[in-house]
Amino acid sequence: AQSVTQPDIHITVSEGASLELRCNYSYGATPYLFWYVQSPGQGLQLLLKYFSGDTLVQGIKGFEAEFKRSQSSFNLRKPSVHWSDAAEYFCAVGANSGYALNFGKGTSLLVTP
Amino acid sequence: EAQVTQNPRYLITVTGKKLTVTCSQNMNHEYMSWYRQDPGLGLRQIYYSMNVEVTDKGDVPEGYKVSRKEKRNFPLILESPSPNQTSLYFCASSLSHSGPNEQFFGPGTRLTVL
Repeated sequence: AQSVTQPDIHITVSEGASLELRCNYSYGATPYLFWYVQSPGQGLQLLLKYFSGDTLVQGIKGFEAEFKRSQSSFNLRKPSVHWSDAAEYFCAVGANSGYALNFGKGTSLLVTP
Repeated sequence: EAQVTQNPRYLITVTGKKLTVTCSQNMNHEYMSWYRQDPGLGLRQIYYSMNVEVTDKGDVPEGYKVSRKEKRNFPLILESPSPNQTSLYFCASSLSHSGPNEQFFGPGTRLTVL
């Protein structure tokens, strides 16, 4: 069965600093991988997705993620964090996106001045 | 505007009083799903539907019912709500149940069962 682990429950970064959120997955074949962001009181918005091809994926709001098969990872990065990036971030994996997406438990990002 | 809508957004109810949370999408998506979000547990799938009249259980279906009589609507029914169903609920849809398709999420329904 596929699963997702987000090792960091909370992360605090200073505004302008770089950010990396970790995501590890467990799945036998090549998974479909997603990062979603949930701002306070909002639904989930897709940041980026990986299905195949180039392992470095660009998303919205200046985010990118790199698929590393050898490490079973799909870490999310941003070179310079803005205060508006404070939110909860979810990594998700799907063997077939029409079936359940398995979500990680989320990483809560706090941005300090 | 392409979107998934849910109603109500907030609901406080009492144990045992039947309720329905509606979900509607205007993107002609085949696939729809309900999740619940609880602190420290992330999102867990309750039920999903691959098309009209086709529904199946997700990871946490106990205490819930769904129906899919029309392509655009996928209501979540709690016949006899209990306090452990207090949660934040999300409806999602995607174009197809096969192949890589992102899921679009509604704004969420915060349910409190007293």
